[in-house]
Amino acid sequence: NAGVMQNPRHLVRRRGQEARLRCSPMKGHSHVYWYRQLPEEGLKFMVYLQKENIIDESGMPKERFSAEFPKEGPSILRIQQVVRGDSAAYFCASSPPSAGQETQYFGPGTRLLVL
Amino acid sequence: AQSVTQPDIHITVSEGASLELRCNYSYGATPYLFWYVQSPGQGLQLLLKYFSGDTLVQGIKGFEAEFKRSQSSFNLRKPSVHWSDAAEYFCAVVLNPGGFKTIFGAGTRLFVKA
Repeated sequence: NAGVMQNPRHLVRRRGQEARLRCSPMKGHSHVYWYRQLPEEGLKFMVYLQKENIIDESGMPKERFSAEFPKEGPSILRIQQVVRGDSAAYFCASSPPSAGQETQYFGPGTRLLVL
Repeated sequence: AQSVTQPDIHITVSEGASLELRCNYSYGATPYLFWYVQSPGQGLQLLLKYFSGDTLVQGIKGFEAEFKRSQSSFNLRKPSVHWSDAAEYFCAVVLNPGGFKTIFGAGTRLFVKA
């Protein structure tokens, strides 16, 4: 009865490299959300995905960031050409396909450090 | 501006003492309200939530929260704090039924002294 799983838990990248963060939702959940937590701040919504669809990406930076949730496999948050300001904790959450999107179950997060 | 406010950046309480963490929101309608706890290096764990009904909500780990519409508040309480409660606590809201953007406060870090 695993919860939301994220990997890697820690990721170090140099400026200009790409970062790929993975999220496997809870079993039976088909809605995935990504949030970013900058140091000393609360979480900020980035994007909401269902299988093969981006539902809302209003919190995503316009450039370098993308997300997908393919039919098979985990959801991926991809950050191209990382900069120091991308250093943060990235959390994934999931919710079931039926009503109940308000209650989201969070993973342990990926802590990204850009050198 | 619409927001979730946690006025206390950090709080220190003695083990065994009572605890109250404050949360206020500024939205026109009553949102869905949540409290999460985040231990160092960990993800968020849901403590409790309020959607409607009884304004005093019981959660896990002995926590409770009271919704006060007149004050737009949803304060978290615990009668007797344990050292293991030391963590960061986030108040959060979702604005409408079926909404999915959870909006978080900045958090309150709780320190527990022996």
